[in-house]
Amino acid sequence: AQSVTQLGSHVSVSEGALVLLRCNYSSSVPPYLFWYVQYPNQGLQLLLKYTTGATLVKGINGFEAEFKKSETSFHLTKPSAHMSDAAEYFCAVSESDSWGKLQFGAGTQVVVTP
Amino acid sequence: EAQVTQNPRYLITVTGKKLTVTCSQNMNHEYMSWYRQDPGLGLRQIYYSMNVEVTDKGDVPEGYKVSRKEKRNFPLILESPSPNQTSLYFCASSLRQGNTEAFFGQGTRLTVV
Repeated sequence: AQSVTQLGSHVSVSEGALVLLRCNYSSSVPPYLFWYVQYPNQGLQLLLKYTTGATLVKGINGFEAEFKKSETSFHLTKPSAHMSDAAEYFCAVSESDSWGKLQFGAGTQVVVTP
Repeated sequence: EAQVTQNPRYLITVTGKKLTVTCSQNMNHEYMSWYRQDPGLGLRQIYYSMNVEVTDKGDVPEGYKVSRKEKRNFPLILESPSPNQTSLYFCASSLRQGNTEAFFGQGTRLTVV
């Protein structure tokens, strides 16, 4: 069975500071890993994903994440936070044979302060 | 434009009054699913469908029904809603492979009083 743990339900960052959101997973088979973002009153949209190949993955809006198999982690970073990054972020895992089922973490709410 | 459309966006209803939340996608995706989002719990899968007339339970199916008579539509039915079904609901669709992007609707905020 797969599970996802996001460390920290709320994160506050200053505009221009590093954004770091932590995600650890457990999976019995090599997983596919995703980060989704949810802006207020909207659905989720894909930020980035890891399937195979290069372990450092770049996504939209300047975000990137690194898959570390030995640490079972997929942390999300952005070098410089912008006010528009205020949103809720979800890490999700899909097992290769799961037909698209996503297992989500609890989410991390990001607040950006001026 | 590729999209998943849910209706209604907001719904307040009373305990026991049957309701349906509609979901439609225009991307010819085989896989569709319903999630509920609750604070501190993230999104949990309610039901999913791998194709027309093929549906199965997700992690929290109690109190819900679904149908998939057409590929594009996947309605969520609450036969007898209860207050513990007050939540934010999302419909999603994707291709059949686990490594593809899921597209989400805008969400339906349901309150059962």
